[in-house]
Amino acid sequence: QSVLTQPPSVSGAPGQRVTISCTGASSNIGARFDVHWYQQLPGTAPKLLIYGTYHRPSGVPDRFSGSKSGTSASLAITGLQAEDEADYYCQTYDNRLSGSVFGGGTKVTVL
Amino acid sequence: EVQLVQSGAEVKKPGESLKISCKATGYSFASYWIAWVRQMPGKGLEWMGVIFPGDSDTRYSPSFQGQVTISTDKSIRTAYLQWNSLKASDTAIYYCAKHANGDHVGNFDYWGQGTLVTVSS
Repeated sequence: QSVLTQPPSVSGAPGQRVTISCTGASSNIGARFDVHWYQQLPGTAPKLLIYGTYHRPSGVPDRFSGSKSGTSASLAITGLQAEDEADYYCQTYDNRLSGSVFGGGTKVTVL
Repeated sequence: EVQLVQSGAEVKKPGESLKISCKATGYSFASYWIAWVRQMPGKGLEWMGVIFPGDSDTRYSPSFQGQVTISTDKSIRTAYLQWNSLKASDTAIYYCAKHANGDHVGNFDYWGQGTLVTVSS
């Protein structure tokens, strides 16, 4: 069981908007630690998608955006494209465990 | 260009020992924490632990404390993950990942390609 809770799967048609939630606790997201998101395409290593809760690394399309409120964070993908089919993971720091923690991952399917 | 290049796939028997590596290039190796992350077949990412190559300060997840050893060799810019006695349940892909800033609280900006470890009798 992961410290951060994500829905196992979300799906949407091309062009639609989907959101992925990441629910934590007072020892991690609620402690105001930044949340980060990674995209993992099949058979490849994770790739940084969003850092510092809101920021996109160079080269990441602005269709991807992050937000946070209280003990939860969200990743939104607008204008969904076939190439967005992947697993997505949230990550933050937990001061009770004194280490990084990941969500269980969410598989995005483009219908 | 920052790169983390991991050692190749391993097939081992239960009870055997193993040390896999992660060679870093393109940045000041001693100045950034490096973590190890496990991904079991068909499962999610699990943080195992992290090391600061500058002084070998190491932190472990409670789930992995005592099960693995994380180390570095600054002279060859390489981090290691080691097992003394493998179990079948250690079968997984193991990634090394570099923290983006000079702490171990933030995000990972670069990842190795992963090392598949298969433990089977």
